[in-house]
Amino acid sequence: GAVVSQHPSRVICKSGTSVKIECRSLDFQATTMFWYRQFPKQSLMLMATSNEGSKATYEQGVEKDKFLINHASLTLSTLTVASAHPEDSSFYICSGREWGEKLFFGSGTQLSVL
Amino acid sequence: GENVEQHPSTLSVQEGDSAVIKCTYSDSASNYFPWYKQELGKGPQLIIDIRSNVGEKKDQRIAVTLNKTAKHFSLHITETQPEDSAVYFCAGGTSYGKLTFGQGTILTVHP
Repeated sequence: GAVVSQHPSRVICKSGTSVKIECRSLDFQATTMFWYRQFPKQSLMLMATSNEGSKATYEQGVEKDKFLINHASLTLSTLTVASAHPEDSSFYICSGREWGEKLFFGSGTQLSVL
Repeated sequence: GENVEQHPSTLSVQEGDSAVIKCTYSDSASNYFPWYKQELGKGPQLIIDIRSNVGEKKDQRIAVTLNKTAKHFSLHITETQPEDSAVYFCAGGTSYGKLTFGQGTILTVHP
């Protein structure tokens, strides 16, 4: 299957710090990227959908000023958690889709805000 | 919007036995149903998917069945192995839209 490289795998930061998470599609062009948040032992919660070159569409209840998504190219999407606080601690996962139906996921980023 | 319910939440089997995980969905417009395997600390990995115009699909030890009328679909794993132990998620949605995920099933295969 297609590969989505997500970095970093783990981030520990102080409250108030901004954190950037990168996702790169290595062997396909991700026309659409999805960003999810996952709490321990829970399902994936969709945060936002982004199409290359367009503004992201955020799910209800997700603060667009806190979770900044950029999808400037067909192989790169970034999620920036602005001024992170302890309640933002979570596992963040991206997934990319080319032209077909299949979604391919990154390996996830565990964010811990102290 | 779509709502996907998944059962059971945990499933424990002996190596070599079969495992079945079931999901129901609510939106009759949904036509794409993938299954993902997630290991601890990793992202989900697509293991099999099915479209609504197909009733069953098989890939080696893994099969998925879909009943459009009843709006449910199931994952079947035969001859389970310890390395099958993971969390499994079903999902439903339209082919090129967003997916809604089930709550997940923790599968444990005992040697």
